[in-house]
Order: sequence, then structure tokens, then C-alpha cells
Amino acid sequence: GAGVSQSPSNKVTEKGKDVELRCDPISGHTALYWYRQSLGQGLEFLIYFQGNSAPDKSGLPSDRFSAERTGGSVSTLTIQRTQQEDSAVYLCASSASVQETQYFGPGTRLLVL
Amino acid sequence: TQLLEQSPQFLSIQEGENLTVYCNSSSVFSSLQWYRQEPGEGPVLLVTVVTGGEVKKLKRLTFQFGDARKDSSLHITAAQPGDTGLYLCAGAINQGGKLIFGQGTELSVKP
Repeated sequence: GAGVSQSPSNKVTEKGKDVELRCDPISGHTALYWYRQSLGQGLEFLIYFQGNSAPDKSGLPSDRFSAERTGGSVSTLTIQRTQQEDSAVYLCASSASVQETQYFGPGTRLLVL
Repeated sequence: TQLLEQSPQFLSIQEGENLTVYCNSSSVFSSLQWYRQEPGEGPVLLVTVVTGGEVKKLKRLTFQFGDARKDSSLHITAAQPGDTGLYLCAGAINQGGKLIFGQGTELSVKP
């Protein structure tokens, strides 16, 4: 596709369940980023990938959060044992290479009940 | 810890007025981006500034990067209702591609 796509667009889950969020970057982009946007917190960096490796995962809030990228393309962000404070919009971005312009997807709106 | 303080957080003005949004930090950034975000969508890049003192214009929007590359401003001349939205500044640090975002400015321009 022409832009970054994310799925699902909305996710409602119960506390304690696991969720997987998917990001399809722009074709050919080697760098991929995950951010979280919540009320009162703004946009927070979570993790980025260069190819399939993650040089910086310093923003992951806890060990319940993990992410992987396969084939240098699609990435999934997994949240285990979700908590209500995980409710937020999870945004993915990609760039042609590290430090180049980041293009954002529409986000996944996660609500944990 | 790098922080980017953005102000004001909320701004409600009448059509035709001018406004300025500020982003300030004690950290030096290799570049600074301004994004605009509409409800239900991801941020869309407006401009990137990379050189200290740089000024860029995009129609009625003027972006400036501070000489020391620690601060930036966005000035909108003769605001229109179509300018309504969330404006975000984001600084890039040298290590990797991580962006540090300001808290955002929610702009409402009333006809």
C-alpha cells in the first residue's frame, strides 16, 4: 500500500487478556517505530526496529510489552495480561532509514475494560 | 531524560487571528519536526528543520528552529477554521531514530 497501515483500528478487551497489534510499514522502509498516545501523556516512544533487530526498546513500559518484526516488514506489538492503564492509541511509523522522515499509520485504539 | 515542553496546550481563537506555538527543551536535537494530527488519524508531517536559526514557510505557517537547536516555534498568520487540529513538535536525537514529542497544542479556530 501507499502508506503505513495498522490493524485492528479498534480493539476492546478485558483486563488480563493478551492483545496483538499489527503494523504494515511503507514498502521498502527499513526502520519501524512504535509509539503510544494517551490522554495526559502525549506521544511516547516505545521501540524501534532497524531491519528485524530492535536497537532501542527503552520505551517499553514493562515486560508485559514485547514486539517483533519479521522479514524486515510487518511488525507486531504484543501486550500480555492487559491492564486498564494500557488503554491508549498505539501508533506505528516507518521511515526509509533511521533518522529519515517518519510516516505514521492511523493507529490502533485499545480499550481495556 | 530528554523533554520537550510545548505551549500552550489549548488555544481557541477567532478566524483571522495570528498565533504562535512554542517548543522548548534543555536538550539539543539533530532535527525538529512539526506534525498535525486530526481526530482518528496519525500525525502528518508538516515540516522538518535541521539547521540552527532555520526558518521555513508553508503558506500561512512559519516554522523556526532556535540557533542552539533546543527550541522551535510555529506561527500561523490569519488562522482559518481549517487549521483546527492538534499540533505536535517532535525532536530527533542522534541515537537512532527515536522522536521525543511535545505534549501537543489543541488549536480551535472559530469562524
